[in-house]
Amino acid sequence: AQSVAQPEDQVNVAEGNPLTVKCTYSVSGNPYLFWYVQYPNRGLQFLLKYITGDNLVKGSYGFEAEFNKSQTSFHLKKPSALVSDSALYFCAVRDMKYGGATNKLIFGTGTLLAVQP
Amino acid sequence: NAGVTQTPKFRILKIGQSMTLQCTQDMNHNYMYWYRQDPGMGLKLIYYSVGAGITDKGEVPNGYNVSRSTTEDFPLRLELAAPSQTSVYFCASSPSLAGPGGELFFGEGSRLTVL
Repeated sequence: AQSVAQPEDQVNVAEGNPLTVKCTYSVSGNPYLFWYVQYPNRGLQFLLKYITGDNLVKGSYGFEAEFNKSQTSFHLKKPSALVSDSALYFCAVRDMKYGGATNKLIFGTGTLLAVQP
Repeated sequence: NAGVTQTPKFRILKIGQSMTLQCTQDMNHNYMYWYRQDPGMGLKLIYYSVGAGITDKGEVPNGYNVSRSTTEDFPLRLELAAPSQTSVYFCASSPSLAGPGGELFFGEGSRLTVL
């Protein structure tokens, strides 16, 4: 079955320190992977995606993610965290039923990132 | 540029009542989706549509209905509301190119409480 796992409910990091939010996936074939961010009482905002090519993907707000096929992971990273990065982060993989043609996404359960000043 | 617009933002229903959550997008996207978000559960797909007149069930469709009469609108109807339908509902849209593009664009959400 296709799935996404975010093993950490919450990640705490001090401002200025690097951050990593973990994500692993299970899908048949080549994965299409996404990260979204949700601020309180807001909708989800797209951060970045991996479709093919370079394993290091750069996205919005200084975030990047590293695709690792052998470990089936797609961890979100940022070199220096800001207090304003505090939010709920979702990893998602495209549902590859029907060859992924419907663009449906399967989401992880989310990781709350708390950046302390 | 409005994007995906959902109404209402908040609603309280009594058990057994019915209501419709409205969703409209102005990006001319063919694909539209309804997800529900519950604490610790992530987002679960309720229904989706790949174009006007075409809808299909997602992972958790029971208790809901949808229609897609136009490209812009994708309303979600709750029949006989139950406490289990207390959730935050998100509508999303996507361009139909399923290759390099295809990320979803989300509305701001509709928070529904059933008492």
